[in-house]
Amino acid sequence: AQKVTQAQTEISVVEKEDVTLDCVYETRDTTYYLFWYKQPPSGELVFLIRRNSFDEQNEISGRYSWNFQKSTSSFNFTITASQVVDSAVYFCALSEAGGTSYGKLTFGQGTILTVHP
Amino acid sequence: DTEVTQTPKHLVMGMTNKKSLKCEQHMGHRAMYWYKQKAKKPPELMFVYSYEKLSINESVPSRFSPECPNSSLLNLHLHALQPEDSALYLCASSQAVQTWLSQYFGPGTRLTVL
Repeated sequence: AQKVTQAQTEISVVEKEDVTLDCVYETRDTTYYLFWYKQPPSGELVFLIRRNSFDEQNEISGRYSWNFQKSTSSFNFTITASQVVDSAVYFCALSEAGGTSYGKLTFGQGTILTVHP
Repeated sequence: DTEVTQTPKHLVMGMTNKKSLKCEQHMGHRAMYWYKQKAKKPPELMFVYSYEKLSINESVPSRFSPECPNSSLLNLHLHALQPEDSALYLCASSQAVQTWLSQYFGPGTRLTVL
């Protein structure tokens, strides 16, 4: 069965610091997809990125970057020069291609990020 | 336009009431989802509709009754709820029920059951 672990329950940083959110996953499928979502206090989950299991290229989008390493089953998320608006709960999620879990998102427990001014 | 809307934003109901939550998307998506999220927990999948047909029910109690009247609308009918059903109810949609497709979420309805 698939599983996503976000070991960091809460992280607190000061503005302009860089911060990395860890995500480790378990799956028996060879084809799967990984996602990151942001949930600000307003409640809506905002889609940030999707990565498939065959593409290990790292990705950068502005201050956000993602490091996918199949060898360690990790998909970590780094925010560079953090800002107060980055304060939110961040969820890592996994979707497998096979079996009865087809298309179903398995979420990690989430990491609460607080950025102080 | 990646927007999913949900109404109402907040709902307070008694255990004997009947109420409905509404979700709407105009992105042409053919898959729609209901999730339940308790405080400080990740969302839990409740139901999945694919092309207006219920395709997944995650063993949700019958006091929650989903309905998909058309491809843009998803309702969740509530009846005889319990206080432990108080949570944030999130609706999401995707182009189809496929592993690689991203789900887009609405802002949620915060439900309180007294």
